[in-house]
Amino acid sequence: QVQLVESGGGLVKPGGSLRLSCGASGFTFSDYFLSWIRQAPGKGLEWISYISRSGSTTYYADSMRGRFTISRDNAKNSLFLQMNSLRAEDTAVYYCARTLRGPYWYFDTWGRGTLVTVSS
Amino acid sequence: SYEMTQPPSVSVSPGQTANITCFGDKMGDKSASWYQRKPGQSPVLVIYDDAKRPSGIPERFSGSNSGNTATLTISGTQAMDEADYYCQTWDNSVAIFGGGTRLTVL
Repeated sequence: QVQLVESGGGLVKPGGSLRLSCGASGFTFSDYFLSWIRQAPGKGLEWISYISRSGSTTYYADSMRGRFTISRDNAKNSLFLQMNSLRAEDTAVYYCARTLRGPYWYFDTWGRGTLVTVSS
Repeated sequence: SYEMTQPPSVSVSPGQTANITCFGDKMGDKSASWYQRKPGQSPVLVIYDDAKRPSGIPERFSGSNSGNTATLTISGTQAMDEADYYCQTWDNSVAIFGGGTRLTVL
C-alpha cells in the first residue's frame, strides 16, 4: 500500500526555522518525483515545491523560493522541507505528495499532513 | 502568473448531476487535475489528464476541458460526495490550484 507520512510540524516563533520530513513506503521511492503542498486555515491548496527523482532538479513557488528548501534521501525513502524565516502566514497543514507525469504533472498520493503554527 | 477561478460553492440534490467549473485563460490548452478534500482528510485525486479516473474512483466522476474551462462532473451525486473540490494545472514549471469549490449535497 502506497503511504506517505509527514512529521516535524509544531509551534515555532516568527523568524524561526523548522524541518519537515515525509517518510514513504509501498513504492519504489527513487522512481518518483515528490512535492510539498500546504493548506492554511480556511484557505485553499497551495503548491510549495517539487523535486526530481535524483534530487538534482527542484522548483519552487515564487512566494517561498529562497526561504524553503526541498531535498530527499533516496536511501532512507525520505523527503524533507527546510523552512526558514517563518512568518505567521506560513501557518498551515503541510502535505507531501507523490507527483506523476501525464501531459502535465499531478499528485496521485498525499500524506495526512503535519501542522505548522507560526506564532509568538 | 496564471490563475484559475472556481465558484466558491455549488449545491446539488442527491441523485442529480453536479458540475464544478474551473476557468482559466486558454485552459483547454493545458491539462487539468481535480482533487476532493473532505474535512479532516487529505486531498484525493479524482481526475487527472482532464478526464482520466484513478483506480478506485467511482465512474460517476468525470472530467472535460476545452476553451477556457475545465469541468468536473459528478453524475448521480451522493451524500458522500459532499466535499471541497480543487482544480489544478501547471504553468512554467509551477503548479497552480484553483481556489476550491464547496459541494453541498442538499
